[in-house]
Amino acid sequence: AQSVTQLGSHVSVSEGALVLLRCNYSSSVPPYLFWYVQYPNQGLQLLLKYTSAATLVKGINGFEAEFKKSETSFHLTKPSAHMSDAAEYFCAVSERSSGDKLTFGTGTRLAVRP
Amino acid sequence: DVKVTQSSRYLVKRTGEKVFLECVQDMDHENMFWYRQDPGLGLRLIYFSYDVKMKEKGDIPEGYSVSREKKERFSLILESASTNQTSMYLCAVWGVNEKLFFGSGTQLSVL
Repeated sequence: AQSVTQLGSHVSVSEGALVLLRCNYSSSVPPYLFWYVQYPNQGLQLLLKYTSAATLVKGINGFEAEFKKSETSFHLTKPSAHMSDAAEYFCAVSERSSGDKLTFGTGTRLAVRP
Repeated sequence: DVKVTQSSRYLVKRTGEKVFLECVQDMDHENMFWYRQDPGLGLRLIYFSYDVKMKEKGDIPEGYSVSREKKERFSLILESASTNQTSMYLCAVWGVNEKLFFGSGTQLSVL
């Protein structure tokens, strides 16, 4: 069965600092991987997705993630944090060829200090 | 983009009540999903549907059922609400560009 593990339920960074949110996956077949973001009192929206094309994926708002098969990882990074990045971030995996039945991680809440 | 509308933002019900959570999409997409979101547990899939009158169990279907009579509407039903079903419920639709579009959620409290 597919699963994802997000290391760190809470991460705090200073404004302008590097953001690194960790995600490791487990899948019996080549996975599709996603990062979603949830801003306060809003639904989830897609940040970026990996679907077996380029291993470095660029998303919205300056975020990117790198698929590393040898490490079964799909960590999310942003070079310089902004106050507006404060939100909860979810990693998700799918084994379906269409990629739509997602299994989500437990989430990481990002706080950005001024 | 797909607009996903959940009928209630907040809902308070009593133990044993039958509860209906409604989700409507504004496009003609087949695949719809119901998740519940709990602190520290992330999102867990309850039920999903790939077509009208079709439903499949997700990872935590116990205590829930669903209805899909029309393509645009997918309802989640709590047959007899219990306090452990207090949660945020999120409806999602698989749209174009291979991504899930989420509604803004229904925060259900069962007293």
